[in-house]
Amino acid sequence: DGGITQSPKYLFRKEGQNVTLSCEQNLNHDAMYWYRQDPGQGLRLIYYSQIVNDFQKGDIAEGYSVSREKKESFPLTVTSAQKNPTAFYLCASSSPSKYTEAFFGQGTRLTVV
Amino acid sequence: AQSVTQLDSHVSVSEGTPVLLRCNYSSSYSPSLFWYVQHPNKGLQLLLKYTSAATLVKGINGFEAEFKKSETSFHLTKPSAHMSDAAEYFCVVSEASYDKVIFGPGTSLSVIP
Repeated sequence: DGGITQSPKYLFRKEGQNVTLSCEQNLNHDAMYWYRQDPGQGLRLIYYSQIVNDFQKGDIAEGYSVSREKKESFPLTVTSAQKNPTAFYLCASSSPSKYTEAFFGQGTRLTVV
Repeated sequence: AQSVTQLDSHVSVSEGTPVLLRCNYSSSYSPSLFWYVQHPNKGLQLLLKYTSAATLVKGINGFEAEFKKSETSFHLTKPSAHMSDAAEYFCVVSEASYDKVIFGPGTSLSVIP
C-alpha cells in the first residue's frame, strides 16, 4: 500500500542532544513537509522541499535542519539549538500543484527529559 | 494575504444530531479549500476538498461542505453525528502550490452519547 511512514512514534531526548525524525513516502510525491503541532494549536510549517536536493525554511525553522537526498525520504533533525522541542511532529507529502491535498504520516511525539 | 478563521474552538453535539463546524477564509485569489480530521495522537486525514468545480463538496464518513464565495465560507456539516466523529478538525486554504497553505487553528468536536 502507498503511504507515508514516520518513525519512531515516540522519542525521548535529553537536553543538549540532537535527534533525527524519519519520514519516508512511497507515493512518488515531489513535495514533502514537516509541521510542528503543540497542544491545542494548529500546525506550523518547519521546512518543506519541492524537489530532491532542495528545501526551504518554513515559519519556525530555527533549531531544526533537514536533508532531501532521495525523493522518498525527508528526515528532520531537532538540534540542541531548539529550546522547546517537546511537541508532536507531522510529516506530509504532496504533488506541488494547486488543488492537490497533502498526505500525512502518523506523527512522532518528541519529549525532552 | 490569505488567512483562515475557525469560529469555534470547541463544539459539542449529541450523538445523532447535526454537526456544523464553521470556517471562513480570506484570499486574494480563487483558493483551494480542504477539511482534515485528526484523531488523538494521529496524523491528519483528508475529509474533502474544494477545487473550483461543484460548490457543494461531499467527503468521507458522511461529511460535506459548501463553498460560498459571497460569504467567504466553507462550513463543514454532517446530518447525524457518530461517536467516532469526535476529533480535531482543521480547515485549510491554499492559493497556489501546497507550500503556501494556511491551516486554521482547529475545532475540537465532542460527541455526547
